[in-house]
Amino acid sequence: EPEVTQTPSHQVTQMGQEVILRCVPISNHLYFYWYRQILGQKVEFLVSFYNNEISEKSEIFDDQFSVERPDGSNFTLKIRSTKLEDSAMYFCASSSRGTGSSEQFFGPGTRLTVL
Amino acid sequence: KNEVEQSPQNLTAQEGEFITINCSYSVGISALHWLQQHPGGGIVSLFMLSSGKKKHGRLIATINIQEKHSSLHITASHPRDSAVYICAVSKGSNYKLTFGKGTLLTVNP
Repeated sequence: EPEVTQTPSHQVTQMGQEVILRCVPISNHLYFYWYRQILGQKVEFLVSFYNNEISEKSEIFDDQFSVERPDGSNFTLKIRSTKLEDSAMYFCASSSRGTGSSEQFFGPGTRLTVL
Repeated sequence: KNEVEQSPQNLTAQEGEFITINCSYSVGISALHWLQQHPGGGIVSLFMLSSGKKKHGRLIATINIQEKHSSLHITASHPRDSAVYICAVSKGSNYKLTFGKGTLLTVNP
């Protein structure tokens, strides 16, 4: 069964460093998302992406964040200068349709720890 | 006020019990999603529904659009059902999911 994959599973970095989280969505999906979950809190939307551009972003997704689909398979989230409060689990998701009633498939997550 | 409220926050049951987790939302939605998150963090989609009822194995999800309420039921619960169950909604032309805080279910043998 097709699945969303994410690498790395765990990333430890120093405050101020840049990190890139990688995702490979399901191959025929067209809509991509990043969510994050700070430990003990609910999952929060960061950004959605379609047709090589951001379709919506949350207040969390400030200038320190960027997303890219550098080739036909990868979807990346870059944090330019990490802060302690960026420590969280980051989930990538994809869906075949961008309507509100389309099922999203989640990757296993990347646990980011900023020291 | 959170757009998505779940109850209870924590639920402990004995194996074999019938489980109900509730979700209320405050906005018009396109669909409501029930998701499962195991220790270790991965999220799995269980149901997506916009009306009525869906069943998959021992899991049943219902939604009442007029009352803005959904329930997830687990029949004959088993320790392997222990997980966090999350309600999330999608609305209108927005593609994003808005999540509830989740319900931590522990099923004891």
